[in-house]
Amino acid sequence: AQKVTQAQTEISVVEKEDVTLDCVYETRDTTYYLFWYKQPPSGELVFLIRRNSFDEQNEISGRYSWNFQKSTSSFNFTITASQVVDSAVYFCALSEGAAGNKLTFGGGTRVLVKP
Amino acid sequence: ETGVTQTPRHLVMGMTNKKSLKCEQHLGHNAMYWYKQSAKKPLELMFVYSLEERVENNSVPSRFSPECPNSSHLFLHLHTLQPEDSALYLCASSQGTERNSPLHFGNGTRLTVT
Repeated sequence: AQKVTQAQTEISVVEKEDVTLDCVYETRDTTYYLFWYKQPPSGELVFLIRRNSFDEQNEISGRYSWNFQKSTSSFNFTITASQVVDSAVYFCALSEGAAGNKLTFGGGTRVLVKP
Repeated sequence: ETGVTQTPRHLVMGMTNKKSLKCEQHLGHNAMYWYKQSAKKPLELMFVYSLEERVENNSVPSRFSPECPNSSHLFLHLHTLQPEDSALYLCASSQGTERNSPLHFGNGTRLTVT
């Protein structure tokens, strides 16, 4: 069975600080996909990034960066120079197997950025 | 309109009521999903429709009945719910059901069962 763990339930930072969200996953598959989603107070989950298990190259998109470490089964997410608009719940998710797009989500990490 | 739209945004219903949640996607996708988000629990997949056919029913009680009349619309019919069914119900769509297809979510319907 697959499992996604986000050990940090809530992180509070002051604007312009960096914040790193941890994600650890368990899977028996060699081929799988990892995702990060953002859920602002409005409710909808917003897709941020997708990474396949064969691509360990780290990625940067603006103030966001992702560190995929297959050896430790982790897919961590860093927000650099955080802003108030980054306040949201962030979810890590895992998709595996041949049975279609069934995501397993972590419990989410609430990020509160204070001005 | 763009994206995924869910109505109503909030719904309060008694345990004997019958109500329906509606979802509409304007992205040209061919797969739609219902997820349940309860307090202190991870998001749970309920149903998946691909090309208007149900391809996944994740052991959901029969008091939840999905309907997908076309690839743009998805409904969740509710009847004789329990208070523990109170949650945020999220609709999503994707282009195909391949495991690398990102999901696009709506704002959700906040359901309270009294």
